Amino acid sequence: EDQVTQSPEALRLQEGESSSLNCSYTVSGLRGLFWYRQDPGKGPEFLFTLYSAGEEKEKERLKATLTKKESFLHITAPKPEDSATYLCALNTGGFKTIFGAGTRLFVKA
Amino acid sequence: DTEVTQTPKHLVMGMTNKKSLKCEQHMGHRAMYWYKQKAKKPPELMFVYSYEKLSINESVPSRFSPECPNSSLLNLHLHALQPEDSALYLCASSQGSGGSYEQYFGPGTRLTVT
Repeated sequence: EDQVTQSPEALRLQEGESSSLNCSYTVSGLRGLFWYRQDPGKGPEFLFTLYSAGEEKEKERLKATLTKKESFLHITAPKPEDSATYLCALNTGGFKTIFGAGTRLFVKA
Repeated sequence: DTEVTQTPKHLVMGMTNKKSLKCEQHMGHRAMYWYKQKAKKPPELMFVYSYEKLSINESVPSRFSPECPNSSLLNLHLHALQPEDSALYLCASSQGSGGSYEQYFGPGTRLTVT
């Protein structure tokens, strides 16, 4: 069965304290791995798509990487406005997209 | 423009009511989705319209009925809902329904069933 697991469930950082979020997966055929950011009570906001192992993408303080079994979202020198839930999602073919449970990030000034 | 709009933002309905949620996108996307999200849980896919053809998550109860009047509009008709259906309902769209397409989400409709 296709599975997506995110860790940690919650992460508390001081402003400027860099860290990484993990998304591990077991799927029969990965078609795309997506990272989204979600603020409370709002819809997820698309961040990155990764397709193959070794691929990396960056946007401001965020960098996403992909291996054959997991993806990392690295956050460099986070700011309080980076506080949100970060969701990892996989497409295994057709329309089916599976979301992980998310990592809730809290950044304190 | 990567905007997906949803109306209403909030909806309170009784278990005997009939109501509809509406979603619109003007990005020329050919796939549109309905998701249900409970508090502190990830979104769960309910329905997909791809090139105006419906695909269903078979675990979704029949009291939820989707409609796609055209490629830009998506409705979700609600009838005889239960309190456990209270959730954030998210609409999303993507360029296609294959694996390489990211989804763009609307702000959601917060539904409360009393």
